Amino acid sequence: DAKTTQPTSMDCAEGRAANLPCNHSTISGNEYVYWYRQIHSQGPQYIIHGLKNNETNEMASLIITEDRKSSTLILPHATLRDTAVYYCIVRTRMDTGRRALTFGSGTRLQVQP
Amino acid sequence: GAVVSQHPSWVICKSGTSVKIECRSLDFQATTMFWYRQFPKQSLMLMATSNEGSKATYEQGVEKDKFLINHASLTLSTLTVTSAHPEDSSFYICSAPDREHNTEAFFGQGTRLTVV
Repeated sequence: DAKTTQPTSMDCAEGRAANLPCNHSTISGNEYVYWYRQIHSQGPQYIIHGLKNNETNEMASLIITEDRKSSTLILPHATLRDTAVYYCIVRTRMDTGRRALTFGSGTRLQVQP
Repeated sequence: GAVVSQHPSWVICKSGTSVKIECRSLDFQATTMFWYRQFPKQSLMLMATSNEGSKATYEQGVEKDKFLINHASLTLSTLTVTSAHPEDSSFYICSAPDREHNTEAFFGQGTRLTVV
């Protein structure tokens, strides 16, 4: 899996957009960007993934730069329940079905009331 | 989405006893499951890969005789912590990948083990 770099922590006001960056400058052409989050004392939860196009689902949006060396996860209207550690993981799609995910330190997002 | 159920959510046991943690895939078959351990304020660390019908593969530094893994069916993997010690107290999490679509991994709720 390509190496990723994320800020250790971020704060966000409730109701505002939370923008979580991730650098993955060594990403390969067939590697996807995956985002997971872990709420305290729970198992991780899949959020979204993308290859090169921007993606949006009911949870978040994923913006990937044109050179694919970085991406941003956007939570459009953060709530207190979005307080969690967010993990950016880069890997091939086939690896998702075969190998365990490797978790870095992630970004601890604290949503403030 | 698919569901992975882990049981129990928490357990307290005495030193020297064994504890079994179950991980079930509820609506899909999981030929492979992964077991992680997470200490406070740390990230998830892979312990072992559980394979249905064959022996588990353990990560370096994980004692296979202490952490017994059994993957007896396509929907159930168990992790048994044998002769538990206080340093085994941790958050244990199982995961099963979506091998049909290769889109995401599904995680159990985790088991908080406290050894006293």
